[in-house]
Amino acid sequence: NAGVTQTPKFQVLKTGQSMTLQCAQDMNHNSMYWYRQDPGMGLRLIYYSASEGTTDKGEVPNGYNVSRLNKREFSLRLESAAPSQTSVYFCASSRDRALSSGANVLTFGAGSRLTVL
Amino acid sequence: GEDVEQSLFLSVREGDSSVINCTYTDSSSTYLYWYKQEPGAGLQLLTYIFSNMDMKQDQRLTVLLNKKDKHLSLRIADTQTGDSAIYFCAEPLYNQGGKLIFGQGTELSVKP
Repeated sequence: NAGVTQTPKFQVLKTGQSMTLQCAQDMNHNSMYWYRQDPGMGLRLIYYSASEGTTDKGEVPNGYNVSRLNKREFSLRLESAAPSQTSVYFCASSRDRALSSGANVLTFGAGSRLTVL
Repeated sequence: GEDVEQSLFLSVREGDSSVINCTYTDSSSTYLYWYKQEPGAGLQLLTYIFSNMDMKQDQRLTVLLNKKDKHLSLRIADTQTGDSAIYFCAEPLYNQGGKLIFGQGTELSVKP
């Protein structure tokens, strides 16, 4: 019953440091997503992966890279962290393969709170 | 591009009805969604509505869709303190399948 698991839950970085946020899902979902949440701005899509081996940019991809390692795992990397990347990051997954049929319900992880000093 | 707009705050008294409003931009959206975020947690799907429907009711929740005005609302009847949370509406990005674009979120505060 794990659903979507994100690690770490909290992280403090200094400007210029790098780190990787890990995400894994155990629901055999095809699509995975990384969002960031900032006060007053809702959730903004960083990157998206429709299936293993494919990734696509979202609304705010600059400063981030992603890897869809396999069907279960989707990681988000900050190569050189900046204070503007201080945020709460959410990973999500969904079954979605058929783009036009059925509701696409996202299952979210609990979030990773990142502070860049 | 797509944009989803919500007011940021709503305060109600326990037992009253809450109405959370949302406007969206893509008239071709097939489904529109409401998610709930409790403090310190991720988002959970609350309900969704198919675009050929005007209304959907699920226990205390009523979703109204006005396609002409691109307006979506969520009504919570008999609001309880446990309903205090942030509520997000979301629509799919045009022609991009599963990607969802979210509104800013409405923080609902329920006072006893």
